[in-house]
Amino acid sequence: QSVLTQPPSVSGAPGQRVTISCTGTSSNIGAGFDVHWYQQLPGTAPKLLIYGNTNRPSGVPDRFSGSKSDTSASLAITGLQAEDEADYCCQSYDSSLSGSVFGGGTKLTVL
Amino acid sequence: EVQLVQSGAEVKKPGESLKISCQGSGYRFTGYWIAWVRQMPGKGLEWMGIIWPGESDTRYSPSFQGQVTISVDKSINTAYLQWSSLKASDTAIYYCARAEMTTTYYFAYWGQGTLVTVSS
Repeated sequence: QSVLTQPPSVSGAPGQRVTISCTGTSSNIGAGFDVHWYQQLPGTAPKLLIYGNTNRPSGVPDRFSGSKSDTSASLAITGLQAEDEADYCCQSYDSSLSGSVFGGGTKLTVL
Repeated sequence: EVQLVQSGAEVKKPGESLKISCQGSGYRFTGYWIAWVRQMPGKGLEWMGIIWPGESDTRYSPSFQGQVTISVDKSINTAYLQWSSLKASDTAIYYCARAEMTTTYYFAYWGQGTLVTVSS
């Protein structure tokens, strides 16, 4: 059971907008710790998608955006493309565990 | 260019020991924390622990404390993850990653992963 909770799967048609939620508690996201998001294509290492809740690293399309509120965060993907089909995972810090924590991951299917 | 290059896949028997490596290049190795992350087959990412190469300051996830040892040899810009007695449940891909900071660590650079298979 992951400390951060994500839906196991989401799906959307090309061109649509999807959101992936990441729900935490008062010892992680709710304590003010930043949330970061990763994309993992099959058979590859994770790739940083969003850091510090809302920031995109250089090279990440602006179709990807992040937000955070209270004890949860969200990743939004607009203008869905076939190449976006991947696993997405959130990450933060938990003060009671004194370390980083990941969500369980969400598989995005582009219909 | 920042690179983290990990050692190759390993096949081991239960009870055997193992040490895998992660060599950094393209940046000042002693200036960034290095983390280890586990991914069991078909599962999500799990943070195992993190080390500051400059002073070998090491922190472990409670789930992995006492199960693995994280170390570093800063003379060759290399971090290690080791087991003294492997179990079948240690079968997984292990990633190293360089940590950056906001209010928390995040991982902008990752190694390619090392597949560890433990089977009798």
